[in-house]
Amino acid sequence: DAGVTQSPTHLIKTRGQQVTLRCSPKSGHDTVSWYQQALGQGPQFIFQYYEEEERQRGNFPDRFSGHQFPNYSSELNVNALLLGDSALYLCASSQVLGQGSYEQYFGPGTRLTVT
Amino acid sequence: AQSVTQLDSHVSVSEGTPVLLRCNYSSSYSPSLFWYVQHPNKGLQLLLKYTSAATLVKGINGFEAEFKKSETSFHLTKPSAHMSDAAEYFCVVTLGSGTYKYIFGTGTRLKVLA
Repeated sequence: DAGVTQSPTHLIKTRGQQVTLRCSPKSGHDTVSWYQQALGQGPQFIFQYYEEEERQRGNFPDRFSGHQFPNYSSELNVNALLLGDSALYLCASSQVLGQGSYEQYFGPGTRLTVT
Repeated sequence: AQSVTQLDSHVSVSEGTPVLLRCNYSSSYSPSLFWYVQHPNKGLQLLLKYTSAATLVKGINGFEAEFKKSETSFHLTKPSAHMSDAAEYFCVVTLGSGTYKYIFGTGTRLKVLA
């Protein structure tokens, strides 16, 4: 059973460009969350998708947008890249089971460098 | 508002000695609490979770944590450190039900000395 997968592994972009990161959730999971982890920091919540809708959002500007597809995979898009967007972007998947199991399983991340 | 504070940014222990990583939380609701470990160039791995059942939670690799509501703490312990335990550890708080965003602490880097 494959866990959470992310692509690409590494990415280098120039300021002002746009980037798309991709995530495939763990089998059986229907919810995808995205996090940004700057160097030496804990991950910061960007947003969460469930049933193809953005269900919750953290304190990130509108330059950050996402999408969830019918197969539950997800994309994170960042427009007008800034140097400060350089970070490890983590995708996490989980399954809504009422009050039950909801721990998030994380992918290995995409390392984005903006120059 | 929810928040989590990891009291030590770095902890060093000798191999075979106990490990204590401290975490305090703040939450207006009944929280769920987690500990994750992140090895270099690896994703985050769940060590254990507290979801309002038993206050003493046992996790993988010999780690355990105790939820103390009166102290708003969820400290991570292990009786005997192993070299492979060297990594970054994150304490996480979230709402008590459903699938909601995680609030991460700033992390504690554990160093294990031979």
